[in-house]
Amino acid sequence: EAQVTQNPRYLITVTGKKLTVTCSQNMNHEYMSWYRQDPGLGLRQIYYSMNVEVTDKGDVPEGYKVSRKEKRNFPLILESPSPNQTSLYFCASKRQGAGNQPQHFGDGTRLSIL
Amino acid sequence: SQQGEEDPQALSIQEGENATMNCSYKTSINNLQWYRQNSGRGLVHLILIRSNEREKHSGRLRVTLDTSKKSSSLLITASRAADTASYFCATDPSSTSGTYKYIFGTGTRLKVLA
Repeated sequence: EAQVTQNPRYLITVTGKKLTVTCSQNMNHEYMSWYRQDPGLGLRQIYYSMNVEVTDKGDVPEGYKVSRKEKRNFPLILESPSPNQTSLYFCASKRQGAGNQPQHFGDGTRLSIL
Repeated sequence: SQQGEEDPQALSIQEGENATMNCSYKTSINNLQWYRQNSGRGLVHLILIRSNEREKHSGRLRVTLDTSKKSSSLLITASRAADTASYFCATDPSSTSGTYKYIFGTGTRLKVLA
């Protein structure tokens, strides 16, 4: 089954404790992306990647890091989480370079930073 | 800042009625996509309309695109209680824009009353 898998689904942690949210897709998609969703603000793009070793900032990259060492994986790293990063996070992927394609989303990761 | 703005922010209708929601954007696009999100879950792609298309249908969904006004609308006909969800538009930037960032609207919360 074609899917985007995020882990963990829920996490409560404390300020300053490094964490990684993993994202994996099995569709051989080139484009992958991370979003955060906050009430009243919709989805805002954090980082995206056009392909392996190619990443770029979205609209709200501060406080986050990403890497794209393999095509299927695109982890989101919070080196020193802060309470304002408490949010619902989504990973998405899509086929790039094949005309107009929609994104496929994971089920989300709800992060609470205390 | 979000370039996608949707209105209304919330919409409550009776089952069987039509629901219309609108999206405005600011830059040139390859295509515009509509997604649906059930409470706190991942987004599901509904329909994609290319920049050279003016109208597209998929089942009970009808999407229009006016690139001169930089706006789109989503019409759901004969709504059902199961259509209750949040709906988001997302713009896929054009290859001439120099960016591959997606911009999502803030969403319309639709409630269909049985």
